[in-house]
Amino acid sequence: EIVMTQTPLSLSVTPGQSASISCKTTQSLLHSDGKSYLYWYLQKPGQSPQLLIYEVSNRFSGVPDRFSGSGSGTDFTLKISRVEAEDVGVYYCMQSRQLYSFGQGTKLDIK
Amino acid sequence: ELKLVESGGGLVQPGGSLRLSCAVTGFSIDDFAMHWVRQVPGKGLEWVSGINWNGGTIAYADSVKGRFTTSRDNAKYSLYLQMNSLRVEDMGLYYCARGGWPNWQYHYMDVWGKGTTVIVSS
Repeated sequence: EIVMTQTPLSLSVTPGQSASISCKTTQSLLHSDGKSYLYWYLQKPGQSPQLLIYEVSNRFSGVPDRFSGSGSGTDFTLKISRVEAEDVGVYYCMQSRQLYSFGQGTKLDIK
Repeated sequence: ELKLVESGGGLVQPGGSLRLSCAVTGFSIDDFAMHWVRQVPGKGLEWVSGINWNGGTIAYADSVKGRFTTSRDNAKYSLYLQMNSLRVEDMGLYYCARGGWPNWQYHYMDVWGKGTTVIVSS
């Protein structure tokens, strides 16, 4: 089982500032096909999760370019530049390299 | 509009059974894998099961293997989750989600329903 560990578990950000969330995995997410199966989701209050980033660094359709993903192997980061009020919610990393598993979530709120 | 609507949740005693359904509209269900993901209130997300486009390959989380069965009926644009031997720890909001391609492995979930609530209590 691949365990995903996110840090921090919560963060409070001033609008316009940036935020970073780390996701570390117990096994490499790199597949022999060259892809790393790491994704980022945002669950806004009262809503279902929505996909932000796929395969480490690709923004999903309609996702603002303020969101970016990076990393490799077992160490990944989601960065949100110029945080806006609409970005509040819980962010989850997810892997699909071996079955599926999610991180514990990082709650972002606005100062 | 792409839409997934779950139903079938409710209150059940430990050891009991429930069958969840997910109705699909707005896309060709037989082009995509489908998944069940659950969430304990106030807690994180847990993948439960994935099924490929034609039901030929199905995978389960260890926590539900042997107790839950996922199936689909593409002609009815529907996904199902039969849950037997339910435990208190199975309680939560169950989401139906579309996989990003026909196989259940190595991909994301890009369309989610609003979920149906399962309560396991005596």
